[in-house]
Amino acid sequence: LLLESGGGFVQPGGSLRLSCAASGFSFNTYDMNWVRQAPGKGLEWVSSISASGSHTNYAESVKGRFTVSRDNSKNTVYLEMSSLRVEDTAVFYCVKESTTIFGVIVRGGAFDIWGQGAKVTVSS
Amino acid sequence: DIQMTQSPSSLSASVGDRVTITCRASQTISSYLNWYQQKPGKAPKLLIYTASGLLTGVPSRFSGSGSGTDFTLTINNLQPEDFATYYCQQSYSPPCSFGPGTKLEIQ
Repeated sequence: LLLESGGGFVQPGGSLRLSCAASGFSFNTYDMNWVRQAPGKGLEWVSSISASGSHTNYAESVKGRFTVSRDNSKNTVYLEMSSLRVEDTAVFYCVKESTTIFGVIVRGGAFDIWGQGAKVTVSS
Repeated sequence: DIQMTQSPSSLSASVGDRVTITCRASQTISSYLNWYQQKPGKAPKLLIYTASGLLTGVPSRFSGSGSGTDFTLTINNLQPEDFATYYCQQSYSPPCSFGPGTKLEIQ
């Protein structure tokens, strides 16, 4: 189970931190991702963090503005968002990535568990 | 980056029908193609991984095929709960990328 929190309304240029609490699996053995969905639009991968937290990746659209981190002692992953833009308005999903499903190697991983989503609205 | 396209963008069908959704990658992705189902107001759910692997609990009326650049998701004997939006996603080359989605509507 993944449970996001921290969404809300923020003005352009503002900051927000999303949290995602995980339970029901060995959190510290899985890479975690954030995927967002703008209103009425499709899915966009935002960021990933390795199981140990030592490696992070970002979509070009958020690079330099968003920071992903995790605390394995708390089974929680975070997305720190700054310099927010109107176009960042979206539902943000915390997603567990599995690179092996029933013994089958999934290169790059498949997103097998999703949170319920945290709504972020950026508007003046 | 790899671009994903899907066709059709929307599709009307009836309960009991068989439908096929196509996904195409801008370059070869081997079989590293996943399919997700999303219902309004809900998070997406993984249905199929590596092009044809059916996740446990997903009804057998769902099937996937393809490799390289062209993939299909087929749903046999459509049920009312299958009306949703379907997304493909390539995981072969980072950054992963999703198709734009296919909205399956009741006719």
